[in-house]
Amino acid sequence: QKEVEQNSGPLSVPEGAIASLNCTYSDRGSQSFFWYRQYSGKSPELIMFIYSNGDKEDGRFTAQLNKASQYVSLLIRDSQPSDSATYLCAVIKAGNMLTFGGGTRLMVKP
Amino acid sequence: NAGVTQTPKFRILKIGQSMTLQCAQDMNHNYMYWYRQDPGMGLKLIYYSVGAGITDKGEVPNGYNVSRSTTEDFPLRLELAAPSQTSVYFCASGVVGQETQYFGPGTRLLVL
Repeated sequence: QKEVEQNSGPLSVPEGAIASLNCTYSDRGSQSFFWYRQYSGKSPELIMFIYSNGDKEDGRFTAQLNKASQYVSLLIRDSQPSDSATYLCAVIKAGNMLTFGGGTRLMVKP
Repeated sequence: NAGVTQTPKFRILKIGQSMTLQCAQDMNHNYMYWYRQDPGMGLKLIYYSVGAGITDKGEVPNGYNVSRSTTEDFPLRLELAAPSQTSVYFCASGVVGQETQYFGPGTRLLVL
């Protein structure tokens, strides 16, 4: 079992819709959870991080964490074509070491 | 601030050749990391450093070496290039107590 799992996609949504990206992790000791966005040929950039169960909102983005189910998600409201990218889920178990999932490719169609 | 810089941007190596991928940061970050990303995959940690003179292995260290003589620089050395090392290499840096990592633009390496 992979430590961090994501559906590779592509996830296709129409412009203006809500995109829902999901991630599961295997280690119950995981403490911190991150979503990175990566445009094709570019480096990852941090969108959001979440530490506690529940929701965390930042603009059009909402991260949701459920530690009991070992599940973290990212919702993107009012999706725009510029949101088309690969979204990487990452977790930290201890220290500052990130473990990444394989990423979900999101396509927002005009 | 330039942030995290990496050189070269792209390189083709022949099997058995060696090279050093350069990484530098000007944010005075303690932590530095090297990742590789294969096509369509996530990032895998090769080596990391928590400060000058201190390095440790990540998930996929075989075939690579690192050194950290200064806070700013964290070069990655490939001694005997193999086709399996064809990948995009990202360097990142971060601060103790803050888990955000800042990534460089990447080096695309092709081993033929």
